[in-house]
Amino acid sequence: EVQLVESGGGVVRPGGSLRLSCAASGFTFDDYGMSWVRQAPGKGLEWVSGINWNGGSTGYADSVKGRFTISRDNAKNSLYLQMNSLRAEDTALYYCARGSSSWGYWGQGTLVTVSS
Amino acid sequence: QSALTQPASVSGSPGQSITISCTGTSSDVGSYNLVSWYQQHPGKAPKLMIYEVSKRPSGVSNRFSGSKSGNTASLTISGLQAEDEADYYCCSYAGSSTFGVFGGGTKLTVL
Repeated sequence: EVQLVESGGGVVRPGGSLRLSCAASGFTFDDYGMSWVRQAPGKGLEWVSGINWNGGSTGYADSVKGRFTISRDNAKNSLYLQMNSLRAEDTALYYCARGSSSWGYWGQGTLVTVSS
Repeated sequence: QSALTQPASVSGSPGQSITISCTGTSSDVGSYNLVSWYQQHPGKAPKLMIYEVSKRPSGVSNRFSGSKSGNTASLTISGLQAEDEADYYCCSYAGSSTFGVFGGGTKLTVL
């Protein structure tokens, strides 16, 4: 069974940093690209960042470019999102999702709240 | 990276068919056959319903179908059922540095 379990969310002050993790199991992790997708409270989905199977290709939404960094460790079956210079508008539930251009498996999300 | 355009809401009666449109540009929907659709019930993670414009993942009912013409993609749900009531999001690949651009979402109400 495919499982994606996010962790690392929490409350952080504006300008602060957080590192999200996603532990994957039930499939061959390095066969797939992965993405982070977020959803602000009561709002729609927003693709945040994606990475190909070996980390050689990454992409970012304009809203996070230069502040967020996606990475993966295939030996640990894990995906990461380093979030720096956090803003109030980054407050959201962050989902880890399997795939490159469509996402058939999603975690349950980890909540990030940016507030002073 | 502008969001794709979806109607805010649609509704239909049980047994009827509805179509949700998703309008993008020649840089996203119009350039790639990589449009996907997601269903999201309140408090739940999104579920993939359609990928690559018209393909259904295993386990998704054949009442769900997708299509595309030019810069506009569409999701059609036939034989509406109460459990179809949910939010629906379209998404398109938009290039090697933008893996996905989502629509704003459409709330489907089954009357």
